[in-house]
Amino acid sequence: QEQVVESGGGVVQPGRSLRLSCAASGFTFSSYGMHWVRQAPGKGLEWVAVIWYDGSEKYYVDSVKGRFTISRDNSKKTLYLQMNSLRAEDTAVYYCARDRSYMAFGGFDLWGRGTLVTVSS
Amino acid sequence: EIVLTQSPGTLSLSPGERATLSCRASQSVNSSYLAWYQQKPGQAPRLLIYDASSRATGIPDRFNGSGSGTDFTLTISRLEPEDFAVYYCQQYGSSPFTFGPGTKVDI
Repeated sequence: QEQVVESGGGVVQPGRSLRLSCAASGFTFSSYGMHWVRQAPGKGLEWVAVIWYDGSEKYYVDSVKGRFTISRDNSKKTLYLQMNSLRAEDTAVYYCARDRSYMAFGGFDLWGRGTLVTVSS
Repeated sequence: EIVLTQSPGTLSLSPGERATLSCRASQSVNSSYLAWYQQKPGQAPRLLIYDASSRATGIPDRFNGSGSGTDFTLTISRLEPEDFAVYYCQQYGSSPFTFGPGTKVDI
């Protein structure tokens, strides 16, 4: 069946880096835009970044611009989020989500279970 | 950035009742690119409605979305026990693809 599975979360000190991965299966990964969405403990959802089906366009929320980089490897059916200069306010569950469209204009119809990132000294 | 406001913050209802959730945008949402998601504790969100009024695959017809421009509504016609959850609206017409703060529907 269609699924996406996140990995790579953990506890990291402020200022350090972490790379999240999202492995896709059961669908044609290269045909869909992909997103990262995060949720701080007890808080609402915050969209983080999107990458189009072919990697040609990427967009970010202002709070992570210049620190986070979204990328994808369609041959490996994997989405990535490289997170640098991490801050305490980046602490959250990070979800990988599939867009209904090949770009970013369809709504998010497939979600992973999320991976927890905790930024703390 | 488009800011989404949801009301009420909490809706206390009983099974079988009708729920009406509101989502208001700070500016017009392009092409009615608005979605509704349901999230239960410890779970990932689930897409209910996209393009303001289209039901996602497998979503029961008691869930209905409506609206355009800056005002959108999610209606649950008859609440089932499994519908008690938090509901988020989201616009995906322009980056950043913002979410509303959520409406909690509880018993």
